[in-house]
Amino acid sequence: DAKTTQPNSMESNEEEPVHLPCNHSTISGTDYIHWYRQLPSQGPEYVIHGLTSNVNNRMASLAIAEDRKSSTLILHRATLRDAAVYYCILTDTGRRALTFGSGTRLQVQP
Amino acid sequence: GAVVSQHPSWVICKSGTSVKIECRSLDFQATTMFWYRQFPKQSLMLMATSNEGSKATYEQGVEKDKFLINHASLTLSTLTVTSAHPEDSSFYICSASSRHPNTEAFFGQGTRLTVV
Repeated sequence: DAKTTQPNSMESNEEEPVHLPCNHSTISGTDYIHWYRQLPSQGPEYVIHGLTSNVNNRMASLAIAEDRKSSTLILHRATLRDAAVYYCILTDTGRRALTFGSGTRLQVQP
Repeated sequence: GAVVSQHPSWVICKSGTSVKIECRSLDFQATTMFWYRQFPKQSLMLMATSNEGSKATYEQGVEKDKFLINHASLTLSTLTVTSAHPEDSSFYICSASSRHPNTEAFFGQGTRLTVV
């Protein structure tokens, strides 16, 4: 599986936007970019995914670089409930198990 | 969205006993489910792939005789930790997704196993 690199941790203030970066320089043409988050003592939760174009949903936006070697998860207004570990994961078409890296621990300050 | 339910949420057992964890997909059929393990302050590690009606596929280093997986129906997979020891204490998480690749995966809420 192609590898992703994320900062270990980030901090944000409540109600401010948060940009969580992910590098995936070895991404292949068929790899999708998925983001999941894990709140303390819970299973991971799907956030968003995309292939080439930027994506928006009710939780977040995903901005994908033109060369697809990096992407950014955007939380438009962070809340205390967004404090979690965010995982950027690449998936190919042939395997549906997810390979989790170390993720980014997001802390949100009131 | 689709829901995956995992039971129990937590369990404490004595060393040497066996513990069964259930994972159910509540509103879709899951021919494949996945079992992960997560130690404190670490990321999730895939243990095995559970296939409905056939044997599970285990990742390297995971003992198939210790972690018994049964996927007898399209909505239920079970993981049994046999002869549990304190080093098996961990957070066990299952997931399932639809048949189509590159759709979202749904995760159970996890089971905290403590072996004393």
